[in-house]
Amino acid sequence: DGGITQSPKYLFRKEGQNVTLSCEQNLNHDAMYWYRQDPGQGLRLIYYSQIVNDFQKGDIAEGYSVSREKKESFPLTVTSAQKNPTAFYLCASTPDAAVTDTQYFGPGTRLTVL
Amino acid sequence: GENVEQHPSTLSVQEGDSAVIKCTYSDSASNYFPWYKQELGKRPQLIIDIRSNVGEKKDQRIAVTLNKTAKHFSLHITETQPEDSAVYFCAASRDNFNKFYFGSGTKLNVKP
Repeated sequence: DGGITQSPKYLFRKEGQNVTLSCEQNLNHDAMYWYRQDPGQGLRLIYYSQIVNDFQKGDIAEGYSVSREKKESFPLTVTSAQKNPTAFYLCASTPDAAVTDTQYFGPGTRLTVL
Repeated sequence: GENVEQHPSTLSVQEGDSAVIKCTYSDSASNYFPWYKQELGKRPQLIIDIRSNVGEKKDQRIAVTLNKTAKHFSLHITETQPEDSAVYFCAASRDNFNKFYFGSGTKLNVKP
């Protein structure tokens, strides 16, 4: 899991601002994911991507956007349309888009709206 | 779609005792079941996983059992230690889909 990095570790946003969370992996993994975790709760899927230039909405995609222009990068933008963005955001990747396998998680970004 | 339910939400045991966490799933096509441990403020880390072609898997003090007929799987931790205290998540997935469904988590507290 050391091959997945997220930045920044902490992020503060004013209401009405868009912010972008970075996720990079050097594991040559095909699939990448973004999850949101609220205190005391499980992981909810925001977006996922199985190949470059393709991505699908997860369960809570409203107010978020992503891109997958490079295999190693999957940035997440939290837009002003997301009404309650304060949460812990986790990026993950898996080796093969066809065969389900272990997910490796990044260290997370904690976003706080001021 | 898949629905994964996890119980209990909190579990408190004495050091040295065993702990069992149970998950059920709804999609009979699911064939991969990982368990993750998450310490406060940290990333989830895989501790053990099982595929649908086996019924049990062990790794030292940790074991996972799978009952495909009943669609449930369980995490067993023996000889618990204070450092086992964390939140544990189960998940389910299947080939050619690569979307993971997570349980709501179990907060395990091991009392010294």
